[in-house]
Amino acid sequence: QKEVEQNSGPLSVPEGAIASLNCTYSDRVSQSFFWYRQYSGKSPELIMSIYSNGDKEDGRFTAQLNKASQYVSLLIRDSQPSDSATYLCAVNTYGQNFVFGPGTRLSVLP
Amino acid sequence: DTGVSQNPRHKITKRGQNVTFRCDPISEHNRLYWYRQTLGQGPEFLTYFQNEAQLEKSRLLSDRFSAERPKGSFSTLEIQRTEQGDSAMYLCASSWTSEETQYFGPGTRLLVL
Repeated sequence: QKEVEQNSGPLSVPEGAIASLNCTYSDRVSQSFFWYRQYSGKSPELIMSIYSNGDKEDGRFTAQLNKASQYVSLLIRDSQPSDSATYLCAVNTYGQNFVFGPGTRLSVLP
Repeated sequence: DTGVSQNPRHKITKRGQNVTFRCDPISEHNRLYWYRQTLGQGPEFLTYFQNEAQLEKSRLLSDRFSAERPKGSFSTLEIQRTEQGDSAMYLCASSWTSEETQYFGPGTRLLVL
């Protein structure tokens, strides 16, 4: 059974701080990794995808992947109240389906 | 709007009734996925299509659930003899390939009374 684990939170950070969200996965051959943001009552929307070890930056967001440790993280710099949402980690293995984690609820306090 | 669309957005039904949901994917996407999501959980895979072929169904999916994608375009998800445990958000997503980003529709929220 392929598993993706995340801390459910809530993770609370003050406005302007760095929020760090973590995800571990069980399938060693997983190849594609995605972070989605989901506001309450809405559907998931893509923040970032990452395929190779290392860091990938997009604006205030940085995804980090370490395949040896089976670990992927998302850093949000200069957190804003509008970043308050649930962040879903999704993992994909070639030819198979996405497996989603349970999500981490982030609360950015003004 | 060229995103994924789903209809209806909300559905309230009585236990034992049948319901059908529709998903229109992004037009150039070959793959179409159905997920179910309950409060506090991530999306749970139900089934997916490569063009018109249904390639996989979750073992968790009972025989009351059926999905179609005629002509490889839109898809329908039918739930027969609904149960209260079927109450959830039903999400549709589409992608170009299995490795690429899945784009989600707004979802259909089902409440079974």
